[in-house]
Amino acid sequence: AQKVTQAQTEISVVEKEDVTLDCVYETRDTTYYLFWYKQPPSGELVFLIRRNSFDEQNEISGRYSWNFQKSTSSFNFTITASQVVDSAVYFCASYSSASKIIFGSGTRLSIRP
Amino acid sequence: KAGVTQTPRYLIKTRGQQVTLSCSPISGHRSVSWYQQTPGQGLQFLFEYFSETQRNKGNFPGRFSGRQFSNSRSEMNVSTLELGDSALYLCASSPDANEKLFFGSGTQLSVL
Repeated sequence: AQKVTQAQTEISVVEKEDVTLDCVYETRDTTYYLFWYKQPPSGELVFLIRRNSFDEQNEISGRYSWNFQKSTSSFNFTITASQVVDSAVYFCASYSSASKIIFGSGTRLSIRP
Repeated sequence: KAGVTQTPRYLIKTRGQQVTLSCSPISGHRSVSWYQQTPGQGLQFLFEYFSETQRNKGNFPGRFSGRQFSNSRSEMNVSTLELGDSALYLCASSPDANEKLFFGSGTQLSVL
């Protein structure tokens, strides 16, 4: 069965610190997609990144970077030099045509000024 | 380009009643999916519609149903409401199910 685990329920760091959000997925499918979404206090989920199972390249977008490792079934998300505006709940998700979309339980990130 | 629009924003119902929620996707998006978000259960997939057909369904009782119209707009219906149905219901649209989702602001349903 497909499963997404975000073991970190809450993280609190001081502004400008780097922070990594962990995501571990389980799937039996060979073709699948991994996502990260951000849910700020306003409530509307915002897409951050999508990766397919055949593309293990890491990605960097400004202060955000993602590390996809199939060997450990992980898709971790790092924010460099965190800012107060990064405070939100972050969800990791996986999708396959056989298993539909599954979200992790989310990690609440608080950035203290 | 207009985003995903969900109406109403807030809804208060009593047990036993039924409710219909509406979602207008981004123009051109054929896939519309629905999710239930609660503090206890997190974000759970309800169902996905593509070109007016339900393509995938989550593990929810038959009281939860939906449909999609020819213009891709979608409605979700919950019959015989229970207290546990109180949640934020989110709609998302995308060109297809494996692509990034664009979410609406949600409908906050309270069942009293």
